[in-house]
Amino acid sequence: SSELTQDPAVSVALGQIVRITCQGDSLRNCSASWYQQRPGQAPVLVIYGKNNRPSGIPDRFSGSNSGNTASLTITGAQAEDEADYYCNSRDSSNNQLVFGGGTKVTVL
Amino acid sequence: QVQLQESGPGLVKPSETLSLTCSVSGGSISSYYWSWIRQPPGKGLEWIGYIYYSGSTNYNPSLRSRVTLSIDMSKNQFSLKLSSVTAADTAMYYCANLSRGRYGPGSEFAYWGQGTLVTVSS
Repeated sequence: SSELTQDPAVSVALGQIVRITCQGDSLRNCSASWYQQRPGQAPVLVIYGKNNRPSGIPDRFSGSNSGNTASLTITGAQAEDEADYYCNSRDSSNNQLVFGGGTKVTVL
Repeated sequence: QVQLQESGPGLVKPSETLSLTCSVSGGSISSYYWSWIRQPPGKGLEWIGYIYYSGSTNYNPSLRSRVTLSIDMSKNQFSLKLSSVTAADTAMYYCANLSRGRYGPGSEFAYWGQGTLVTVSS
């Protein structure tokens, strides 16, 4: 079955750059999507496709994909970016969806 | 803007069937695939399955034997049934829309419900 691997936690100083990675075989054929989840709230899509942001998502969020690795970058992290971030993709062989384990981002 | 709202019992007894419904507003249910995702307390997200308006489904292999998704286009609703539940099924359950790709489902969940907490306990 497909799996996506994320680092459990990362910290970043206010205003600095942080990169979160997601690894898995399904990413070779399907770009990752990224979700922000603040405590007690539903996940919110922040990046999808090659590097697309839904309406209302600040442009400090960007995504990239290379081989079996996808990355979410926050350029100029803000206090409100402190949250859990999840990646997901689709296995093109069976159309099943999978989520990474999540990365907790702490803004110092 | 598509909006989703989950409804159903918040407490289910072990060995019984969990049943949830998601009501869709602000968009046609025939425009997307529709999915259920769950999150046990303090843990990550787990995709349960998706259904298309045609009735075609795809389930997480780890839950396939116990899951049934259905859709009611007349009510703009889709539903989840999970049988033989145990404490391990205690989770926040979210409904979400899954994008539609060129030849089938896409991979991103753009709209989510607020979630409903289901506890399995006697």
